[in-house]
Amino acid sequence: EAAVTQSPRNKVTVTGGNVTLSCRQTNSHNYMYWYRQDTGHGLRLIHYSYGAGNLQIGDVPDGYKATRTTQEDFFLLLELASPSQTSLYFCASRDRDEQYFGPGTRLTVL
Amino acid sequence: QQQVRQSPQSLTVWEGETAILNCSYEDSTFNYFPWYQQFPGEGPALLISISSVSDKKEDGRFTIFFNKREKKLSLHITDSQPGDSATYFCAASAWGGSGNKLIFGTGTLLSVKP
Repeated sequence: EAAVTQSPRNKVTVTGGNVTLSCRQTNSHNYMYWYRQDTGHGLRLIHYSYGAGNLQIGDVPDGYKATRTTQEDFFLLLELASPSQTSLYFCASRDRDEQYFGPGTRLTVL
Repeated sequence: QQQVRQSPQSLTVWEGETAILNCSYEDSTFNYFPWYQQFPGEGPALLISISSVSDKKEDGRFTIFFNKREKKLSLHITDSQPGDSATYFCAASAWGGSGNKLIFGTGTLLSVKP
């Protein structure tokens, strides 16, 4: 069964702070995705990747960087966090037609 | 611009009733439509999906009805159970084109009362 883990599960930072969210998948899927989930907006795609060293721009990329260091690991970086980035963040990996989601990271920017 | 729309935002049914969740889309190149189920504190998980070559897909108590001409689909949950209480997301993709990403709707929060 696909396994996607995320860390930390909860994070509080201040405006202007530097935050890194981590995601690891253990099924050697090529595609990995970062989403944010907000009430009234559903899930919105920030960045995605189809392999180590690759990065594709999603639909809401402003203020976010991402890096895929290995087949397993995908990181989301907020270098100057703002309150508008307070959200629930999900990572997912994809096998054929199905995306497997991690448990999420709740980020609060004060 | 919301390319995938869902209604209603929230729905309450009694145990044993049929819940109907609606979804519509704009992009005619979309050809794959999964529904994801999300319980509180968890990530979404694939529930059932349909491709545009079919007009119906059934899996137990869950059925998708698809109308390509009207760009609409619906998820029917028959004999609803309290354990079905969750948020349901309709999504769409154009597999084979820009098909490496899913566009999600805003979700329907379903509550099934015992």
